[in-house]
Amino acid sequence: EIVLTQSPATLSLSPGERATLSCRASQSVSSYLAWYQQKPGQAPRLLIYDASKRATGTPARFSGSGSGADFTLTISSLEPEDAAVYYCQQRDNWPPFGGGTKVEIK
Amino acid sequence: QVQLVQSGAEVKKPGASVKVSCKPSGYTFTDYYIHWVRQAPGQGLEWMGWINPNNGATKYAQKFQGRVTVTRDKFFRTAYMEVSRLRSDDTAVYYCARDGPDRGDLRFYFDFWGQGTLVTVSS
Repeated sequence: EIVLTQSPATLSLSPGERATLSCRASQSVSSYLAWYQQKPGQAPRLLIYDASKRATGTPARFSGSGSGADFTLTISSLEPEDAAVYYCQQRDNWPPFGGGTKVEIK
Repeated sequence: QVQLVQSGAEVKKPGASVKVSCKPSGYTFTDYYIHWVRQAPGQGLEWMGWINPNNGATKYAQKFQGRVTVTRDKFFRTAYMEVSRLRSDDTAVYYCARDGPDRGDLRFYFDFWGQGTLVTVSS
């Protein structure tokens, strides 16, 4: 079993600020990691896959980095519409999803 | 454009079964695996299983083996997920999602999602 631990649980920032979300795996997942954004009442949306590749339609302010067991999702300049829960996901083992980080916009 | 349209909300009693459908459009049905993911109220995402629509092969999370069945109908280009012996803790929104972003291979990323189907289990 590979456990993904996301931190912080909640991030509260102002528009224009930089957001840094962490996802740590209990063992290496190589670069096979994705990030999803989920807004209230909506299905999740794939933002990043293979740790750093933007999915079609993902704005350039979202970037992913990391490999092995430590990964980061960075939102370079927060927009009001970025308020959501962000999940990381690995593909090697169950359970695939981390617990999520809630991003609040002040 | 790619869309996955799911069947409507269901209310079931404990011990009953529920079957949710997922009808993709905008791409060739047999070219991409379909996954099922659920989300209990206020909770995170939980992967349940996948199906290869081309040959019908399936794989399930161990937690759901024996109680969840995923099938597909190639003629109607629809995938189905059935949960039997429902319990109150099966109350959740159930999503189907397309595997992506590459055609053919199992990438185990979910690039397009259905709108979700709320299944409520209550006596």
